[in-house]
Amino acid sequence: DTEVTQTPKHLVMGMTNKKSLKCEQHMGHRAMYWYKQKAKKPPELMFVYSYEKLSINESVPSRFSPECPNSSLLNLHLHALQPEDSALYLCASSQVGQGSGYTFGSGTRLTVV
Amino acid sequence: DAKTTQPPSMDCAEGRAANLPCNHSTISGNEYVYWYRQIHSQGPQYIIHGLKNNETNEMASLIITEDRKSSTLILPHATLRDTAVYYCIVRFWEYGNKLVFGAGTILRVKS
Repeated sequence: DTEVTQTPKHLVMGMTNKKSLKCEQHMGHRAMYWYKQKAKKPPELMFVYSYEKLSINESVPSRFSPECPNSSLLNLHLHALQPEDSALYLCASSQVGQGSGYTFGSGTRLTVV
Repeated sequence: DAKTTQPPSMDCAEGRAANLPCNHSTISGNEYVYWYRQIHSQGPQYIIHGLKNNETNEMASLIITEDRKSSTLILPHATLRDTAVYYCIVRFWEYGNKLVFGAGTILRVKS
């Protein structure tokens, strides 16, 4: 299995809702990432997990809460989002360390209404 | 990580080689050059990476100048499916597993 699987593919949520994005990989990668991408912009790094521990938080607002329950799963819990949080949310995984490429999922298209 | 400079867009005829340049004049000795691409509405796709030597795989070739201040990604026979945004990224993993994307180059392959 050489894929990163993200669910759901599309999500519409209200500003008072709580929802979660899910990411799964079975490549034995021990680093996992969340990126946010607005239209016509490059992906922006949000969080990095290494060996199931949060190692980088790029000053992301607390309404985004990541979780890594095991080495294959990565969640992004969403609460009280704003319309400007509407974007494509990408998950990626890689081996820890230099010289390894990242494998990205196809993303979750999130719309906050 | 060193900054990179890429042209905003390029056109290439189908079947011809696409040569995408990247400047990274502040690169340090232990930083690798990575190339990714993103086809519309999909996640980025890893293409190739290198440190000093030229590299080739089934997708592309990476040519790094001797002073390492610039590189070129070569797609030998571009097809319409190679139309995408191509990102050149320089990084050193000890800064943290952190891949930061710049603006990239929009490559349009035309028939």
